[in-house]
Amino acid sequence: GQQLNQSPQSMFIQEGEDVSMNCTSSSIFNTWLWYKQDPGEGPVLLIALYKAGELTSNGRLTAQFGITRKDSFLNISASIPSDVGIYFCAGYSNAGGTSYGKLTFGQGTILTVHP
Amino acid sequence: NAGVTQTPKFRVLKTGQSMTLLCAQDMNHEYMYWYRQDPGMGLRLIHYSVGEGTTAKGEVPDGYNVSRLKKQNFLLGLESAAPSQTSVYFCASSDRYQPQHFGDGTRLSIL
Repeated sequence: GQQLNQSPQSMFIQEGEDVSMNCTSSSIFNTWLWYKQDPGEGPVLLIALYKAGELTSNGRLTAQFGITRKDSFLNISASIPSDVGIYFCAGYSNAGGTSYGKLTFGQGTILTVHP
Repeated sequence: NAGVTQTPKFRVLKTGQSMTLLCAQDMNHEYMYWYRQDPGMGLRLIHYSVGEGTTAKGEVPDGYNVSRLKKQNFLLGLESAAPSQTSVYFCASSDRYQPQHFGDGTRLSIL
């Protein structure tokens, strides 16, 4: 089946540093999504990307839909302690003939920010 | 602006007991989903629904049943709970190929 390879699995950074994480796949995706999950809560949508090459920002977060449609990147600038959490990439693909549009998730990147 | 609401938030069951998890959404979404999240396993789809009165199996459906009698509600049932079903359960809703919106989860322990 389709898989999303998300890296890195975890990051330990100092407050103020920039963060980069990415997701790659062997399949083409038509939509890329980035979520953040805080401890004890559900995933919350950060950014949605719908076109190859699209670059979208949400405050200090910037995400890009790869030109090949097989990858996506998320950058966080000037990290702060509240950025701590698990970041998930997810994507919709039409491959496989699923009528409902299966959302495939990456395994997540655990971000720790030291003050 | 509730979004997706899950009840209960926590539950402890004994092996063999049954229970129902309730999910309600107020965004008029057609699609609803039930996931489980386990350490190191990410989010796995249990069952989903593409509209009122319809349900279908996801990746890990065994031991669970679902019903969608009303568009805004999606119920997940455990008929005979097993320790392997200890997990955090998330409900989500969306329109087709649109971002899914998640509830805050139900933490379920089976003793």
